[in-house]
Amino acid sequence: NAGVTQTPKFQVLKTGQSMTLQCAQDMNHNSMYWYRQDPGMGLRLIYYSASEGTTDKGEVPNGYNVSRLNKREFSLRLESAAPSQTSVYFCASSELGGKVRDEQFFGPGTRLTVL
Amino acid sequence: AQTVTQSQPEMSVQEAETVTLSCTYDTSESDYYLFWYKQPPSRQMILVIRQEAYKQQNATENRFSVNFQKAAKSFSLKISDSQLGDAAMYFCAYRRTGNQFYFGTGTSLTVIP
Repeated sequence: NAGVTQTPKFQVLKTGQSMTLQCAQDMNHNSMYWYRQDPGMGLRLIYYSASEGTTDKGEVPNGYNVSRLNKREFSLRLESAAPSQTSVYFCASSELGGKVRDEQFFGPGTRLTVL
Repeated sequence: AQTVTQSQPEMSVQEAETVTLSCTYDTSESDYYLFWYKQPPSRQMILVIRQEAYKQQNATENRFSVNFQKAAKSFSLKISDSQLGDAAMYFCAYRRTGNQFYFGTGTSLTVIP
């Protein structure tokens, strides 16, 4: 099992450019998440998808959109990148909330720089 | 909203010694789970230990143990016999019934040889 995979690992964008971060998991998890990690801020939730077909905003959704393409894949799109979106982005997955003991499994992260 | 607080941005410990990382959280729920994650320089998030709120017994995983004080809403991580490989950022996380996880801001642990 590959677990949670993310592409790309690194990306540099110019202000105003768009891009999509891809995430896939092979653990048959229902829930998937996108976080951003900034120094001193910990992990902040951007969007999550509790199950296939649903998405919900997290703490910092502005400037982002998501698509739950199927049970395996959950993508994050930046329509018009801004320097404030320079960050490390993590995708994660977990079982549905009924099994509260289940932890999140994380991808390796994408380091995004917006110039 | 739930909040998780890690009041120690940085900690250091001598190799082979013991260190305790602090975490407090705010919740009105009675049923929830708490986690400690480790993030080494590779950036990969690794689960260290978990604690069920309904269990009074503190969780232990080899050199890692927690001190869970439910009434005080405190969840500290103790690392015994610290090793160089323990150097990392450590995040405390909370999950209640549902799908959202809440993370603290992290504690950077340095292990001194």
